[in-house]
Amino acid sequence: NAGVMQNPRHLVRRRGQEARLRCSPVKGHSHVYWYRQLPEEGLKFMVYLQKENIIDESGMPKERFSAEFPKEGPSILRIQQVVRGDSAAYFCASSPGTETALHFGNGTRLTVT
Amino acid sequence: QKEVEQNSGPLSVPEGAIASLNCTYSDRVSQSFFWYRQYSGKSPELIMSIYSNGDKEDGRFTAQLNKASQYVSLLIRDSQPSDSATYLCAVLRPGANSKLTFGKGITLSVRP
Repeated sequence: NAGVMQNPRHLVRRRGQEARLRCSPVKGHSHVYWYRQLPEEGLKFMVYLQKENIIDESGMPKERFSAEFPKEGPSILRIQQVVRGDSAAYFCASSPGTETALHFGNGTRLTVT
Repeated sequence: QKEVEQNSGPLSVPEGAIASLNCTYSDRVSQSFFWYRQYSGKSPELIMSIYSNGDKEDGRFTAQLNKASQYVSLLIRDSQPSDSATYLCAVLRPGANSKLTFGKGITLSVRP
C-alpha cells in the first residue's frame, strides 16, 4: 500500500513565479492536511481539506496561497507570486478519519531564488 | 502561552542511557497525543500515540501522559546512535474538524 505521495521533492522558483505542490493521500484516506516547516522549526498547520471541501484554512496566509482537494486527483497547494520567505519544506499528511494519527509524505522543499 | 511546548533541548545522552523528552500543552480538552520522529531532511514518522493517563510501552519507547498536569513525555531506553533525530510532540483536540498541533521539537543526539 503506497503511502502519501508528494511531488515534486524539490522545487526551485524565482520570485514572482507560481509554485504548485501536489499530494496524493494514502488510498482510502479522505482527509488531507498541509503543513509548512521552516529550518529549525516545528510543523505549522496550514490547511485541512476533505474531498472537494476546505474544512479549516486558519493557518494559510490570506493572499497568494490556495489549496484544493478535488473529487478526482491529488490535493494541490498553490502559491502565487512566490517570495523568498516562502522557501520552506511543505508536508502533506492524510488520515482515514478525524481524531487519528497523520501519515506524512516526504515533503516538497521549495526554494525561492 | 504556546499550545504545545517543548522547551528543553538539544539533548545529548551517551549510548545505552535513557533519554527523557518532555512536552506540555495548554488546551485541557486535548484527548490524543502523539510523538513523531524526524531525521534531518526527512518527513515526520509516527512512533507513539497515547490517549489515556499513565504509561504506554512499545519496545524501547515509553510514552507517559498526565492530563491533570497537562504534560506528555517520551522515554527512550538503551538509546542508540540511530535514535539521534528531532522528536516532535503533537496534540489533537476532540472534534470533527480538529487538527494536529505540533511543538517545535527536541533534537536528541546519542553519543557512541
